[in-house]
Amino acid sequence: GAGVSQSPSNKVTEKGKDVELRCDPISGHTALYWYRQSLGQGLEFLIYFQGNSAPDKSGLPSDRFSAERTGGSVSTLTIQRTQQEDSAVYLCASSLSPRGGLEETQYFGPGTRLLVL
Amino acid sequence: AQKITQTQPGMFVQEKEAVTLDCTYDTSDPSYGLFWYKQPSSGEMIFLIYQGSYDQQNATEGRYSLNFQKARKSANLVISASQLGDSAMYFCAMREDNQGGKLIFGQGTELSVKP
Repeated sequence: GAGVSQSPSNKVTEKGKDVELRCDPISGHTALYWYRQSLGQGLEFLIYFQGNSAPDKSGLPSDRFSAERTGGSVSTLTIQRTQQEDSAVYLCASSLSPRGGLEETQYFGPGTRLLVL
Repeated sequence: AQKITQTQPGMFVQEKEAVTLDCTYDTSDPSYGLFWYKQPSSGEMIFLIYQGSYDQQNATEGRYSLNFQKARKSANLVISASQLGDSAMYFCAMREDNQGGKLIFGQGTELSVKP
């Protein structure tokens, strides 16, 4: 079956502009996660959604970052007033469940490479 | 303190030999999961193997096995019969029950397989 998909694959923007990154999880997966991978910081958790529960936003680095998940499926990560330090690869993942053996395994999409000039 | 420590930034192995990639973790949560992912130069994160904290046996998945030593808090990845296609970054990650679903990653080990 189809894996996690993300769009765009690459995004170049100017400092101060807003960007939206999209993630389509694996069908049937209830949990969806966003991570950021940068040279200096490695892989960092940003936010995760589980079913209809309130999302865990504890990893969002500032209030310029927000995310939503519509209809329990597609998610959009929005970065407002982008800064150069936001340049990174943004990875989305999904799992059948957030916990419980192999069901908690997170499968990743190909990522969106964001470059802020 | 680092939750996940991978002490080998880079490793070399000869094709067809076995290699062990080290991972130690730090948690006070009795329930957690440990994962290994492979990230080739293409950038995609590929799931390799999972070990639950209550699992009695070491996980195995084809040429991958996880040497789980709970008392030492280590979860080393063993790759048997290395292949050229195994050259990649390898990340160890942990999920703690009391922290919800998020994964905490180590800094990674870059493995190079020599022909």
